[in-house]
Amino acid sequence: EVQLVESGGGLVQPGGSLRLSCSASGFTFSDYAMHWVRQAPGKGLEYVSAISSNGGGTYYADSVKGRFTISRDNSKNTLYLQMSSLRAEDTAVYYCVKSSLTTVTTFFRYWGQGTLVTVSS
Amino acid sequence: EIVLTQSPGTLSLSPGERATLSCRASQSVSSSYLAWYRQKPGQAPRLLIYGASSRAAGIPDRFSGSGSGTDFTLTISRLEPEDFAVYYCQQYDTSPPFAFGPGTKVDVK
Repeated sequence: EVQLVESGGGLVQPGGSLRLSCSASGFTFSDYAMHWVRQAPGKGLEYVSAISSNGGGTYYADSVKGRFTISRDNSKNTLYLQMSSLRAEDTAVYYCVKSSLTTVTTFFRYWGQGTLVTVSS
Repeated sequence: EIVLTQSPGTLSLSPGERATLSCRASQSVSSSYLAWYRQKPGQAPRLLIYGASSRAAGIPDRFSGSGSGTDFTLTISRLEPEDFAVYYCQQYDTSPPFAFGPGTKVDVK
């Protein structure tokens, strides 16, 4: 059974940093691209970032480019999102999402339950 | 970058009725790389449809998707209580970032 468990969310001040983690199990992690999608309170889904299976390709939404860094450790079956220069508008539930195929370009069958990041003073 | 719009914003219907949700793309979505998700309050989204018309595993046949190019439709033939939720379309054409539509809320009339 595929499981994606996010951690690392919490309250952070504007301008601060936070690192999210996603522990994956139930599949061969190193075979699949991974993604982060977020959802601000009461709002819709916003695509954040993606990383290829070997980490060689990374992609970002314009809203986070230059501030967020996606990475992965295939030996630990873990996906990361390093967030810096955080703003109030980054407040959201962050979902870890598994690619349904081995490529980055695919739909999303498996989602984690999300971790809440709150940016506030 | 492809932008998705969804209509209506809210759809008020009764259980057993038919729901028709629309998703329009700002440019053609090649190979029908269009997915639909349902999200209930407090839960992660659930994949319903991929490739514009293929039902995901475990999704009942009351859900169907259609369309190509820039116009796509999700149809729920008979609304069940668990279908009152928010629905999002998403394109996964070319490379990320992949856009989501703003969502359609289906609520009880």
